[in-house]
Amino acid sequence: QVQLLQSGAEVKKPGASVKVSCKTSGYTFTGYYIHWVRRAPGQGLEWMGRINCYTGGINYAPKFQARVTMTRDTSITTTYMELSGLTSDDTAVYFCAREMKVSGQTAFDSWGQGTQVTVSS
Amino acid sequence: DIVLTQSPGTLSLSPGERATLSCRASQSVGSTYLAWYQQRPGQAPRLLIYGTSNRATGIPDRFSGSVSGTDFTLTISRLEPEDFAVYFCHQYGSSPWTFGQGTKVEIK
Repeated sequence: QVQLLQSGAEVKKPGASVKVSCKTSGYTFTGYYIHWVRRAPGQGLEWMGRINCYTGGINYAPKFQARVTMTRDTSITTTYMELSGLTSDDTAVYFCAREMKVSGQTAFDSWGQGTQVTVSS
Repeated sequence: DIVLTQSPGTLSLSPGERATLSCRASQSVGSTYLAWYQQRPGQAPRLLIYGTSNRATGIPDRFSGSVSGTDFTLTISRLEPEDFAVYFCHQYGSSPWTFGQGTKVEIK
């Protein structure tokens, strides 16, 4: 079955960077996009961007454009999201999610379990 | 960016009752580019509805979605104990993709 398994919780100091991984299995990795979404405490979901796992093509949300980098390693069916210049506002649970493969539909049909990132001095 | 406004913020209902959740878009998202997710505490979101009214795989038929103009609705016909959770709408008709702030369905 489709699985997205994320790396463990991180605690970072302000100004640092964090890199979260998302290991996928159970489907053809290069046939899909992977998106990254976060949820801060007491907030809703926030879309950060997506990567085409075949071409490596990227679309970033304007809010994160300057400090997010998404990459993938096809040999180990894993995508990565690195966020730099962390502040306390980046404290959140970060999710990877697979974009569904239904014509014209780009909702997210499978999700990782989430990675807690805490930014604290 | 398209802003999605969900209402109410919290819905207090009893098991067996009908839940009606609203999601209003600040501009047109196209009638088929709206999804709904359920998120239980400590879990990842789960896709319920895509394309406004299509149930995702394995989703029971008590969940349904509809639209009138830019007003989208998720209806849960009879609440089961496992349905008490937070629900988010999500538009993917225009980049950047955006989500509503969520509606919490709690036990009355």
